[in-house]
Amino acid sequence: DQQVKQNSPSLSVQEGRISILNCDYTNSMFDYFLWYKKYPAEGPTFLISISSIKDKNEDGRFTVFLNKSAKHLSLHIVPSQPGDSAVYFCAASGNQFYFGTGTSLTVIP
Amino acid sequence: EAGVAQSPRYKIIEKRQSVAFWCNPISGHATLYWYQQILGQGPKLLIQFQNNGVVDDSQLPKDRFSAERLKGVDSTLKIQPAKLEDSAVYLCASSSRGTMNTEAFFGQGTRLTVV
Repeated sequence: DQQVKQNSPSLSVQEGRISILNCDYTNSMFDYFLWYKKYPAEGPTFLISISSIKDKNEDGRFTVFLNKSAKHLSLHIVPSQPGDSAVYFCAASGNQFYFGTGTSLTVIP
Repeated sequence: EAGVAQSPRYKIIEKRQSVAFWCNPISGHATLYWYQQILGQGPKLLIQFQNNGVVDDSQLPKDRFSAERLKGVDSTLKIQPAKLEDSAVYLCASSSRGTMNTEAFFGQGTRLTVV
């Protein structure tokens, strides 16, 4: 039972443009959401998070939006850079961290 | 601040053999997690420790997997006997206060191949 879903396995974006990665969840009890970035042969690294009491959190080029009524969150990266090419995992916090299946982002120079 | 340390980085074993992975979390982090990540999937929790006690091991295949966290610091995860489907990356993570409004920090993982 996948409680956190990332329906786009991959995304390609031109350098300098916006990247939008999407994530849906099923459990309305989740109260904290996170995005992780993973390069090959490395562990996931924390990128940005958002509490359920907010609908937006911004950190430099990265912004996470939360729509609780739709049980949807998204990560915006602008402007996208080639170094952003990685797999991005969405996660939700309940009694444990629940992870999505990841979206592989390729930023084309 | 040192990150989460894991060893070995890679391991290849034959099915039915045993294997052990080691993790040293970030200093002071009370919560330690072991995740299994199969290719193309997200990390799946195997076991969660709070200090040296088990909080959640509901997804740990206990007939073959075991884990311990003696003294509430380092942890080992063991598989005995291994099956082909155990081929995956095993990730250790730690956090300062469980999953409450905080992030988990991951190690580099151990890539296990069972042949």
